[in-house]
Amino acid sequence: GENVEQHPSTLSVQEGDSAVIKCTYSDSASNYFPWYKQELGKRPQLIIDIRSNVGEKKDQRIAVTLNKTAKHFSLHITETQPEDSAVYFCAASQAGSARQLTFGSGTQLTVLP
Amino acid sequence: EAGVAQSPRYKIIEKRQSVAFWCNPISGHATLYWYQQILGQGPKLLIQFQNNGVVDDSQLPKDRFSAERLKGVDSTLKIQPAKLEDSAVYLCASRSPRGNSYEQYFGPGTRLTVT
Repeated sequence: GENVEQHPSTLSVQEGDSAVIKCTYSDSASNYFPWYKQELGKRPQLIIDIRSNVGEKKDQRIAVTLNKTAKHFSLHITETQPEDSAVYFCAASQAGSARQLTFGSGTQLTVLP
Repeated sequence: EAGVAQSPRYKIIEKRQSVAFWCNPISGHATLYWYQQILGQGPKLLIQFQNNGVVDDSQLPKDRFSAERLKGVDSTLKIQPAKLEDSAVYLCASRSPRGNSYEQYFGPGTRLTVT
């Protein structure tokens, strides 16, 4: 089955700096890669996703890049703000009717004011 | 649209007791997932339903966990008997049946503490 590795496990940045979180996946058949943000005690919320036919996707301060050859994808947050502090999870999903998600272990991002 | 609903939000039980969790997915979402999220880890899939049928329960500890979705809408997840290592947040998620839809919408979860 799919295996998703995520690092770093913790990341502290100064407000206004950029943050980068990286994930690798094992199954070359995976074709959908979402990123979820989870604040303490709350549900995971999708912040951005990318499909395997695209190399990069941006949404305001957030971007995701995908390298299918190397089987890794990254989340980039620019101009970080204290409200960006949360745990971020990457995930990978295969095509087909099941479309199950395999999650990484999470990155605790702390944005220092 | 209303989100995924779960109840209860919190539950504390002693080991060897039983517990049940309930999930109501977004209206029209045929696919429903139950995940277990242990503190400090990512969610791990336990079982997936398509309407009222099980698609995948390969990671469900069937000696103590069971789940059903009898009418293809609400779902319940049961643990009997509970063990200390079952302490976790149990998340329910649903997905639209549209052909190009991948996004899963999560409920608020049920935090289970087994003492």
